[in-house]
Amino acid sequence: DAGVTQSPTHLIKTRGQQVTLRCSPKSGHDTVSWYQQALGQGPQFIFQYYEEEERQRGNFPDRFSGHQFPNYSSELNVNALLLGDSALYLCASSFGAGTGYEKLFFGSGTQLSVL
Amino acid sequence: EDQVTQSPEALRLQEGESSSLNCSYTVSGLRGLFWYRQDPGKGPEFLFTLYSAGEEKEKERLKATLTKKESFLHITAPKPEDSATYLCAVQGIIQGAQKLVFGQGTRLTINP
Repeated sequence: DAGVTQSPTHLIKTRGQQVTLRCSPKSGHDTVSWYQQALGQGPQFIFQYYEEEERQRGNFPDRFSGHQFPNYSSELNVNALLLGDSALYLCASSFGAGTGYEKLFFGSGTQLSVL
Repeated sequence: EDQVTQSPEALRLQEGESSSLNCSYTVSGLRGLFWYRQDPGKGPEFLFTLYSAGEEKEKERLKATLTKKESFLHITAPKPEDSATYLCAVQGIIQGAQKLVFGQGTRLTINP
């Protein structure tokens, strides 16, 4: 049973460019959340997708956007990249957003470097 | 706004030397407190969930406890393979079902 898979594992971009990160949730899960983890810090919540809609959003600018597909996979898009966007981007999957507690399973992340 | 503070930021122990990691939190209404382990270059791996003050959970050399203001992760007779960053997170009732607010983590090193 595959866990949460993310691609690519590493990415190097320059300031001003746009990037798309991808996530496939664990089998049986229908909810995807995205987190940003700067070096030496804990993960910070970006947003959550359920039933192909953004259900919750953290304190991130509109440059960060996402999408969820009918097969529950998800994309995170970041426009107009800044140096400060360099971080490990984590995808977490679970089942049944809003219906109660569900343990989050995390992928290994995409390491984004902005030069 | 919900907040989580972990201490110490880094801890270095000898193999077999027991210790505790602290997680202090403020939350409007606690749905759950979570402990995760994170190895370098990897995503967080779930360890425990605690729901109410007084609750305790154990897994191998790890034991997590919860009060109304803080949680402890006790490590008994640690081994080098326990070296990792340990993350604490809270899930508040008001914020919704699945958003986690994380602390900055404690980087634990166990020397053989």
